Amino acid sequence: KNEVEQSPQNLTAQEGEFITINCSYSVGISALHWLQQHPGGGIVSLFMLSSGKKKHGRLIATINIQEKHSSLHITASHPRDSAVYICAVVGNQFYFGTGTSLTVIP
Amino acid sequence: DAGVIQSPRHEVTEMGQEVTLRCKPISGHDYLFWYRQTMMRGLELLIYFNNNVPIDDSGMPEDRFSAKMPNASFSTLKIQPSEPRDSAVYFCASSRTARRETQYFGPGTRLLVL
Repeated sequence: KNEVEQSPQNLTAQEGEFITINCSYSVGISALHWLQQHPGGGIVSLFMLSSGKKKHGRLIATINIQEKHSSLHITASHPRDSAVYICAVVGNQFYFGTGTSLTVIP
Repeated sequence: DAGVIQSPRHEVTEMGQEVTLRCKPISGHDYLFWYRQTMMRGLELLIYFNNNVPIDDSGMPEDRFSAKMPNASFSTLKIQPSEPRDSAVYFCASSRTARRETQYFGPGTRLLVL
């Protein structure tokens, strides 16, 4: 059983589309992270959430603690957004989703 | 700041050899994390330190793996003896004040054990 489930696993979008990636978890957490991993392999932390919503440029992350669910939204997607997006939760341990591979086509 | 620095960036070794991976966290960060990423298992936390002290090493796969942090600016992850199934990308990350805070990742070390 995976403590963190992401959907979809793969996503292809046209440039300009609005994108949503979902993360559900089954454990109690103190924080949830969204990570971005580019094709070159580097990992960047996009957001750390413990409640509510955060926005950074075209990226928006939300979390619903009661429903144990988080979403990552990308508005006006661009080919440079193509990457793997990983949801990670911090509870008694660290748990990671398997990632969503996003490809944005020009 | 230069960010988290890892070395080497790539390592190819033969089964049975000792491998040492190195990490320099961002100055002033109290937490240091070692991760392993494989296609099969994704990202896994191996161990993390707070103020140079190992806090949770439950993710370390077996006794062949060991990690140290002799001071605030340096950590090592050692595999002895290495096995082909250890082939993975190993990331080091650091965070400022708490295990739940934003982590800054190094570029990773790509390890191939033949």
